[in-house]
Amino acid sequence: DGGITQSPKYLFRKEGQNVTLSCEQNLNHDAMYWYRQDPGQGLRLIYYSQIVNDFQKGDIAEGYSVSREKKESFPLTVTSAQKNPTAFYLCASSPGQDTGELFFGEGSRLTVL
Amino acid sequence: GNSVTQMEGPVTLSEEAFLTINCTYTATGYPSLFWYVQYPGEGLQLLLKATKADDKGSNKGFEATYRKETTSFHLEKGSVQVSDSAVYFCALKANAGKSTFGDGTTLTVKP
Repeated sequence: DGGITQSPKYLFRKEGQNVTLSCEQNLNHDAMYWYRQDPGQGLRLIYYSQIVNDFQKGDIAEGYSVSREKKESFPLTVTSAQKNPTAFYLCASSPGQDTGELFFGEGSRLTVL
Repeated sequence: GNSVTQMEGPVTLSEEAFLTINCTYTATGYPSLFWYVQYPGEGLQLLLKATKADDKGSNKGFEATYRKETTSFHLEKGSVQVSDSAVYFCALKANAGKSTFGDGTTLTVKP
């Protein structure tokens, strides 16, 4: 089945460590996105990519980095510079930047110990 | 900039009650409007959408009408079920290609 796969589903990290969250899609979508979700809040955009080898900062990019070397993959690295990284991270894709709805993965929950 | 304001929750209803979750927006241009649903521990799923004024989106008994004059996209369902318990997000997507989400409204339906 086509869809978006995020891994790991749960991740624990010690302070000062970088972690990388995986996002893979087999929908042949051009655009991919990373969102952060905190309890009781909406989704905040971290980074997005509209085409391979190109990406732009979203509203809360500080302390995060991404790459888009392949169309189907858009990994997110949470660096030690992110001051409050404990959150639920959602990856999404859409066929193109002007196309409507987003297709979401099931999310990755990161907890910093 | 663009913004979405949703009715604050949580909302608790009895089974078969009528549901309304209010959503209003501000945006430049002519956005598309969406309702997404999130079940516990999962990602978001598209519930319904409308791409122009006066369009009505509908799915699984839920409906919402794109009202340009009131900049609203309220979600309604005539008879909710326990299985409708989830978090509902209103969202818009304008010309820049980025989506803007409301804060979400948690719905609990009791038997």
